[in-house]
Amino acid sequence: AQSVAQPEDQVNVAEGNPLTVKCTYSVSGNPYLFWYVQYPNRGLQFLLKYITGDNLVKGSYGFEAEFNKSQTSFHLKKPSALVSDSALYFCAVRDSPDKLIFGTGTRLQVFP
Amino acid sequence: DGGITQSPKYLFRKEGQNVTLSCEQNLNHDAMYWYRQDPGQGLRLIYYSQIVNDFQKGDIAEGYSVSREKKESFPLTVTSAQKNPTAFYLCASSINYRDNEQFFGPGTRLTVL
Repeated sequence: AQSVAQPEDQVNVAEGNPLTVKCTYSVSGNPYLFWYVQYPNRGLQFLLKYITGDNLVKGSYGFEAEFNKSQTSFHLKKPSALVSDSALYFCAVRDSPDKLIFGTGTRLQVFP
Repeated sequence: DGGITQSPKYLFRKEGQNVTLSCEQNLNHDAMYWYRQDPGQGLRLIYYSQIVNDFQKGDIAEGYSVSREKKESFPLTVTSAQKNPTAFYLCASSINYRDNEQFFGPGTRLTVL
């Protein structure tokens, strides 16, 4: 079965510093990977996805993610964090053509 | 939250009562989904619909029911058979069932008193 893991419940970073939110996956076949962000009491917003092609995927709000097949990882990154980036981040993998499996989420806290 | 609306935002219900959560989309999407979100557990799929008049059970369908009579609407009923219904419920849609980029509504927080 397909799965994703987000090993960190929370990530703390100072404003202006680079940030990384980790995600590892386990799939049979080629992975379709996604990152979503959730602000308090809101729905999820799509950030970016990897299906094929370049290992570095650029997305919304200055975020990018690096696909690493050998390490089965798809870490979310941003060169310079903003306080407004503080939110809950979810990694997801396609389970079947019509379903996604979500990780448990990582809370990002950016301190001024 | 795009063109997906969920109502109400907050909902309170007494034990033993059924309650229906609304989800409407004006994105002309074929596929729609219902998820349940609990702290520390991420999102779990309750039901999904690939096309109007068709739907399938997700991973935690017990105690829930849905209908898809119109393309733009996918209401979720939480029945009295659901043992622990207090949660945040999220509705989503995608262009079709093969396009996994899902658009989410703002959610409904259900509390059972």
